[in-house]
Amino acid sequence: DTEVTQTPKHLVMGMTNKKSLKCEQHMGHRAMYWYKQKAKKPPELMFVYSYEKLSINESVPSRFSPECPNSSLLNLHLHALQPEDSALYLCASSQGFLFGRNQPQHFGDGTRLSIL
Amino acid sequence: GESVGLHLPTLSVQEGDNSIINCAYSNSASDYFIWYKQESGKGPQFIIDIRSNMDKRQGQRVTVLLNKTVKHLSLQIAATQPGDSAVYFCAGNTFAGGTSYGKLTFGQGTILTVHP
Repeated sequence: DTEVTQTPKHLVMGMTNKKSLKCEQHMGHRAMYWYKQKAKKPPELMFVYSYEKLSINESVPSRFSPECPNSSLLNLHLHALQPEDSALYLCASSQGFLFGRNQPQHFGDGTRLSIL
Repeated sequence: GESVGLHLPTLSVQEGDNSIINCAYSNSASDYFIWYKQESGKGPQFIIDIRSNMDKRQGQRVTVLLNKTVKHLSLQIAATQPGDSAVYFCAGNTFAGGTSYGKLTFGQGTILTVHP
């Protein structure tokens, strides 16, 4: 079982809907990430939060709006999405650099998003 | 820019054989490398990592080799089992100075199929 929990597992929405994806981790990690993964492709970084502040935005369209309410939670707010936004959205967390060594990112199982 | 790629997109082996998955990277600034396993319907699962000051690291049934001279790493799986069937991604990680997070760049992935 993954220690990064994502909800919902599946989401179908129309192009005019507003929805949110949620991610939670209780490992005390201070960095959290959103990735987008298309079928048969590797994950692509979207956003990085470090200590609850947005550190990286990989030129993601404004119809995706991230939010980090606290150190354990990460949301991705969706509005006016396009059919090409259909993908698996993955959340990850990491401790970053701890005790003099790098620490890996740990992923959730993702939300499968379909835009009608 | 950075790219991390794989030599072969698919690998088929018989149960009990040893498997070798290869990966090349281009950015010398990558200082930490991770192998992930992704099963259908799940997020990437951490397998093993290696820092750039090492050339070999062993885990349970897995070994990662790093050759910095030719910017190549490989994942060796001993006595491959049907449960090892998945997509395997290598990822290069770069930490920005003074930050707590890393930026992963994934390879394209290798589909490993293990036949009973």
